[in-house]
Amino acid sequence: NAGVMQNPRHLVRRRGQEARLRCSPMKGHSHVYWYRQLPEEGLKFMVYLQKENIIDESGMPKERFSAEFPKEGPSILRIQQVVRGDSAAYFCASSPLQGSIDTQYFGPGTRLTVL
Amino acid sequence: QKEVEQDPGPLSVPEGAIVSLNCTYSNSAFQYFMWYRQYSRKGPELLMYTYSSGNKEDGRFTAQVDKSSKYISLFIRDSQPSDSATYLCAMKDSGGSNYKLTFGKGTLLTVNP
Repeated sequence: NAGVMQNPRHLVRRRGQEARLRCSPMKGHSHVYWYRQLPEEGLKFMVYLQKENIIDESGMPKERFSAEFPKEGPSILRIQQVVRGDSAAYFCASSPLQGSIDTQYFGPGTRLTVL
Repeated sequence: QKEVEQDPGPLSVPEGAIVSLNCTYSNSAFQYFMWYRQYSRKGPELLMYTYSSGNKEDGRFTAQVDKSSKYISLFIRDSQPSDSATYLCAMKDSGGSNYKLTFGKGTLLTVNP
């Protein structure tokens, strides 16, 4: 059973470009969470999605950031007009159920570098 | 005051030592407490979880939660070089946002052979 998959693993963008980060949850998981890990900081919750629905985006910056989890295909975290402060590791996690204590499984992360 | 405080270390110990890792928190609504291990350039891997106060043991690992002091610990016995990693504490409440993990910054541990 494959784990949570994220791609690309490394992404380099110049200021002003768009970044698209993809996350394929574990098989059978319908809940996806995105976290951001800034240098010298802990992981911070960004957004929680179920298939075709955004449940909680309270941790996501209001501008330039968006997320989706379509009926078919991976979840996408999109960052428009990237700035240097967006450089971070972005982790996706998935679970089969909301709130289940032991089932938020993390992917390997996408490391975004903005030049 | 941050919701979760964790000493970032680094912590360096000899092989076979007992390691103690700790976090404090301020949000009394937290009910679930977790420890994740993160190897360099990898995603966090769940090691242990505890509900409310008490102890939980799994092999060489013991997790303790003291809700009265808002203090959680992870003990590693007979530490091995393969335990070298960053250890993250995480916690969440049991209410409407019970999916949202709040993490400490992580403690970098090196176990020297």
